[in-house]
Amino acid sequence: EAGVAQSPRYKIIEKRQSVAFWCNPISGHATLYWYQQILGQGPKLLIQFQNNGVVDDSQLPKDRFSAERLKGVDSTLKIQPAKLEDSAVYLCASSFSGQGAKTQYFGPGTRLLVL
Amino acid sequence: AQKVTQAQTEISVVEKEDVTLDCVYETRDTTYYLFWYKQPPSGELVFLIRRNSFDEQNEISGRYSWNFQKSTSSFNFTITASQVVDSAVYFCALSEEGEGRRALTFGSGTRLQVQP
Repeated sequence: EAGVAQSPRYKIIEKRQSVAFWCNPISGHATLYWYQQILGQGPKLLIQFQNNGVVDDSQLPKDRFSAERLKGVDSTLKIQPAKLEDSAVYLCASSFSGQGAKTQYFGPGTRLLVL
Repeated sequence: AQKVTQAQTEISVVEKEDVTLDCVYETRDTTYYLFWYKQPPSGELVFLIRRNSFDEQNEISGRYSWNFQKSTSSFNFTITASQVVDSAVYFCALSEEGEGRRALTFGSGTRLQVQP
């Protein structure tokens, strides 16, 4: 079974530029998450989707970050404009939906460096 | 608010030693789930185990074992006879039940170095 796919794997941009990351979850997983992992820290949730609806975006910096999951499968996370402090690994995860917490499976991440 | 604490920032052991990684959590919910993930140098988070709050049985999987104690809010992870391939950052995480929000709250991780 294919895992969570993410691209690109690495991205280097200058501050104030924009960048987009793509995620394709495991087939059949209705729930999709984006996490930000700053070096030396645990991942922190940015946004959670259930199908194509947003369940939780309370920690998403909405002035510069946006995300969508238009057809309930793939998702895109965008940063515009990027700041130095956005340098991090952006992890996408997916899980089955339903009662109780389901195991989240993570993709390889996109490493972003903002200069 | 939920919180996960991994007090050990880094542990170094010699191959074949046993090692225990500590995890202490805080939550107001009575129903919650605890997880351990491994993050090798490649960066991908690898799922190891999930426990729910009603199941306090310890679990063993090969060289890995987990000790869940609700009385002390701890969910510790032991690797027996460690190997160099166990070198990674290990994260403990917590998920609560309410309102469809299933996001994981992670600890800060414990970096394990196993020396040959």
